[in-house]
Amino acid sequence: DTAVSQTPKYLVTQMGNDKSIKCEQNLGHDTMYWYKQDSKKFLKIMFSYNNKELIINETVPNRFSPKSPDKAHLNLHINSLELGDSAVYFCASSLGTGAEKLFFGSGTQLSVL
Amino acid sequence: SQQGEEDPQALSIQEGENATMNCSYKTSINNLQWYRQNSGRGLVHLILIRSNEREKHSGRLRVTLDTSKKSSSLLITASRAADTASYFCATGGGANSKLTFGKGITLSVRP
Repeated sequence: DTAVSQTPKYLVTQMGNDKSIKCEQNLGHDTMYWYKQDSKKFLKIMFSYNNKELIINETVPNRFSPKSPDKAHLNLHINSLELGDSAVYFCASSLGTGAEKLFFGSGTQLSVL
Repeated sequence: SQQGEEDPQALSIQEGENATMNCSYKTSINNLQWYRQNSGRGLVHLILIRSNEREKHSGRLRVTLDTSKKSSSLLITASRAADTASYFCATGGGANSKLTFGKGITLSVRP
């Protein structure tokens, strides 16, 4: 039983395309996150939602739009993909808003050609 | 901006030896956490230590925190080949704050 699942695992696409990554957690957690990990393994938070409400929005281009239809789901839509968007995107969840003990999905490797 | 800085960047040891990894951070924190990432996988939470704690144990893991020096260390005792992974420290500031990760340490345990 996967706790945090995200799809797809791999995404290869052309520059300028629009793509979405989906994330679901079955842990009953209130808070979900999107993190971006670059080629040097540096992890940077992008967004955080608590009970469908946006609570953290880092300096991310507005081509990235998160959507949380309910507290178990947090999707990420990316418009007009650029080469620099190539990275691994991780979804995560935690029980409260204090970002303690995050559970991570297995990641989506996005390659923009 | 990045909060945690791990040291060393890479560590290679023999199975059975202890592995010590260090993390330094810049601002005041509510807690510090360590995560492990196996190649091609997501991060797994290992241990959390709060700012009012000095030491914590979990199985073969021992974490220390020195808030006066803004540093933490993670000790893995009796290492195994399965401990080969990247290890990240992350600092958190409490409610509605973000968890900020360091660059990570690559640990290789030779069988």
